[in-house]
Amino acid sequence: GENVEQHPSTLSVQEGDSAVIKCTYSDSASNYFPWYKQELGKRPQLIIDIRSNVGEKKDQRIAVTLNKTAKHFSLHITETQPEDSAVYFCATKGGGGATNKLIFGTGTLLAVQP
Amino acid sequence: DADVTQTPRNRITKTGKRIMLECSQTKGHDRMYWYRQDPGLGLRLIYYSFDVKDINKGEISDGYSVSRQAQAKFSLSLESAIPNQTALYFCATGTGTGELFFGEGSRLTVL
Repeated sequence: GENVEQHPSTLSVQEGDSAVIKCTYSDSASNYFPWYKQELGKRPQLIIDIRSNVGEKKDQRIAVTLNKTAKHFSLHITETQPEDSAVYFCATKGGGGATNKLIFGTGTLLAVQP
Repeated sequence: DADVTQTPRNRITKTGKRIMLECSQTKGHDRMYWYRQDPGLGLRLIYYSFDVKDINKGEISDGYSVSRQAQAKFSLSLESAIPNQTALYFCATGTGTGELFFGEGSRLTVL
């Protein structure tokens, strides 16, 4: 089945620095790549997503890049702030039918030090 | 606001007991999912349903069962709970376009 690997598992940065989280996936039919943020004690919420026909997408301080050839995608957060501290999950979604469900990575705990 | 509601939010039970976690949604979505969250293991899919007559196993369905009572309701059962089923359980809904909307989670402790 589909496998998603996420690295690093923990990441500590100074406020104002950039943070990068990377995921690799195994199913070449995957066509949708979202990132979710889970604050402490809260539910996961979508922060940005990208589809397989696009290489990069930006939304203010966050961006996602996709390399379909290498089967990896990354989340980039610039000018980090303390409120960016959370667990971040990547996920992939297959092309349809029985694979049309989200499979998540193991998560990255981001700590932004003031 | 349209939302995804899980009950109970917290439950402590003993080994061997039957437990049901319930999920209801007012978003009008056809697709509903149950995920389990454990530290270091992320969110793992237990079961999912694309409509009332459709039930599918996920990555870790052993020891669990589900029922889709209506479009808006999807319940998860543990027929005989065991300690390694202690976890945070999330229900989620979606339309198939991609984004999932999660409930607030149900924390289950099996002693």
